Amino acid sequence: AIVLNQSPSSIIASQGEKVTITCRASSSISSNYLHWYQQKPGAFPKLVIYSTSYRASGVPSRFSGSGSGTSYSFTISRVEAEDVATYYCQQGSSNPYTFGAGTKLELK
Amino acid sequence: EVQLVESGGGLVQPGRSLKLSCAASGFTFSNYYMAWVRQAPKKGLEWVATISTSGSRTYYPDSVKGRFTISRDNAKSSLYLQMNSLKSEDTATYYCARLSIGTTHVMDAWGQGASVTVSS
Repeated sequence: AIVLNQSPSSIIASQGEKVTITCRASSSISSNYLHWYQQKPGAFPKLVIYSTSYRASGVPSRFSGSGSGTSYSFTISRVEAEDVATYYCQQGSSNPYTFGAGTKLELK
Repeated sequence: EVQLVESGGGLVQPGRSLKLSCAASGFTFSNYYMAWVRQAPKKGLEWVATISTSGSRTYYPDSVKGRFTISRDNAKSSLYLQMNSLKSEDTATYYCARLSIGTTHVMDAWGQGASVTVSS
């Protein structure tokens, strides 16, 4: 199984700050198969970025993604209060589809 | 509007069975692969099962293989998860998710979740 190591496990940021989350895969995967989800407290997950760098419908432009091979990143250019959530990477390259452990974003 | 609504969750004793349902609306259900994903309390997401559009192909991780069965009824736009021989570690919120058309296996719509507690 492909293991996804996400870091950091938590971030405390100020509004307007730039934050970056890293997701490293135990095996190389095509960028088509790396996705990011946002889960706000008490809510279900929501797709934010698919295939490494494409924003899902309705997602603000401050969210972006990049990467290739085994190293991927997710960035919020200017954090807003509504971005408080846990973010997960997920690979759809091979069964079992796996998720990273999550990164919890809190505001300072 | 795409909607996925899970039902059937509850408290069940270890070793017993439970069946979850997911009612889909707002899209052509038969055109999409579907999946179940679970989240143990205060933990991360774990993929549980995937089913093809016709239901002929199913996929499971080792943690549930042989105990869980995913199925679908395209005529009713419904997805199911039959869970047998339940263990305490199966306690979680179970989400029904739609896989986007194509091969990227991205989950582009989620239900609100059904809570399952396995305890004596």
